[in-house]
Amino acid sequence: EVQVVESGGGLVQPGGSLRLSCVASGFTFSSSWMSWVRQAPGKGLEWVANINQDGSGKYYVDSVQGRFTLSRDNAKNSFCLQMDSLRDEDTAVYYCARTYWGDYGDYWGQGTLVTVSS
Amino acid sequence: EIVMTQSPDTLSVSPGERATLSCRASQSVSSKLAWYQQKPGQAPRLLIYAASTRATGIPARFSGSGSGTEFTLTINTLQSEDFAVYYCQQYNNWPRTFGQGTKLEIK
Repeated sequence: EVQVVESGGGLVQPGGSLRLSCVASGFTFSSSWMSWVRQAPGKGLEWVANINQDGSGKYYVDSVQGRFTLSRDNAKNSFCLQMDSLRDEDTAVYYCARTYWGDYGDYWGQGTLVTVSS
Repeated sequence: EIVMTQSPDTLSVSPGERATLSCRASQSVSSKLAWYQQKPGQAPRLLIYAASTRATGIPARFSGSGSGTEFTLTINTLQSEDFAVYYCQQYNNWPRTFGQGTKLEIK
């Protein structure tokens, strides 16, 4: 059975930092692209970032470029999103997803809520 | 950035009938389009990829069509569990972008 589980969300002040983690099982993690997709409260979906199988390729949407950093540990079937210089507009549920070659998400976690507020 | 526009924003259909949802891209995405279903409090669920290929376990009443800039998701014989929000997403260019969603509600 495939499982994708996010953790690390919470309340943080503007300008602060947070680290989201995602642990996966039930598929070959080391052969899989992984991604983060977010959804602001009551809004639609926004693709945030992709990382390729060995971590050598990372892609970020412009709004988070330079503030968010992806990393992965294939030995632990995990990958992380380090979020720095957080802004109010980063408030969202963040979903971790396995994505087919970074294209579309076929396995998704249940999401972790990040709230940026003073 | 490719802008994806879905129509209508809300679609009211009776159970047992057919629903047709549309998605338009601001420039060609070839057939690199996916559709997702999302229910309240849940993660998105992949329905269709490559514009017309059903994902694993998706019932045959869901079908996708189109290429280039115009795409359609058709749901035949609507079941109660099909009422949800549907999103299209292109993967021809980075960043990947979603439509704003179509809410399918019970008439």
